Amino acid sequence: SYVLTQPPSMSVAPGTTATITCGGDDLRLKSVHWNQQKPGQAPVLVVYDNRDRPSGIPERFSGSKSGNTATLTISWVEAGDEADYYCQVWDRASNHVVFGGGTKLTVL
Amino acid sequence: EVQLVESGGGLVKPGGSLRLSCAGSGLRFSDFYMTWVRQAPGKGLEWVGRIKSQVDAETTDYATPVKGRFILSRDDSKSTVYLQMDSLQVEDTGVYYCTTGPGLQSYWGQGTLVAVS
Repeated sequence: SYVLTQPPSMSVAPGTTATITCGGDDLRLKSVHWNQQKPGQAPVLVVYDNRDRPSGIPERFSGSKSGNTATLTISWVEAGDEADYYCQVWDRASNHVVFGGGTKLTVL
Repeated sequence: EVQLVESGGGLVKPGGSLRLSCAGSGLRFSDFYMTWVRQAPGKGLEWVGRIKSQVDAETTDYATPVKGRFILSRDDSKSTVYLQMDSLQVEDTGVYYCTTGPGLQSYWGQGTLVAVS
């Protein structure tokens, strides 16, 4: 089955930039989406189709992809950005959605 | 305001059944593929399944752990999608979310808790 790999955790200081990676085989051929989940809350989509933002998501959230690694970048990190972040793709081979294991972002 | 509201969760014994509902409001529900995602306590997100729109024949896809036990359906006249869960196992315990999936307009419900014990 298809696997997406994310770092389990990372820490950044307020006002700096957080970069969260997501890797997978042939990821360059897939559309990557990113979800944010704050403690005790439902997930929220913050980036779709590699680099697009849904309505209402601040420009501080951006997505990119290079080869088989996708990256979610959060600029000017705020305390309120502390959350778990999950990358997501559609795997055509299995007709399944696949989530990465999630990255816990801590704002120091 | 767009809302997705899940209901139907609860405590059930292994081997039992539950039917979850997800009711939408404030959106053209019939346009959306609807997806269920679950989250076991303290764990990450896990895809459960998806039902396409009527235009795409309401085709369904299921995650391997639930295939053959769970069934998705929808009633666009009620803006509601259903998840029938049979032969429930302890490993099915978690919060179940419905979502419209990724896109310019993307919505998640607040979830409903299913406990199999």
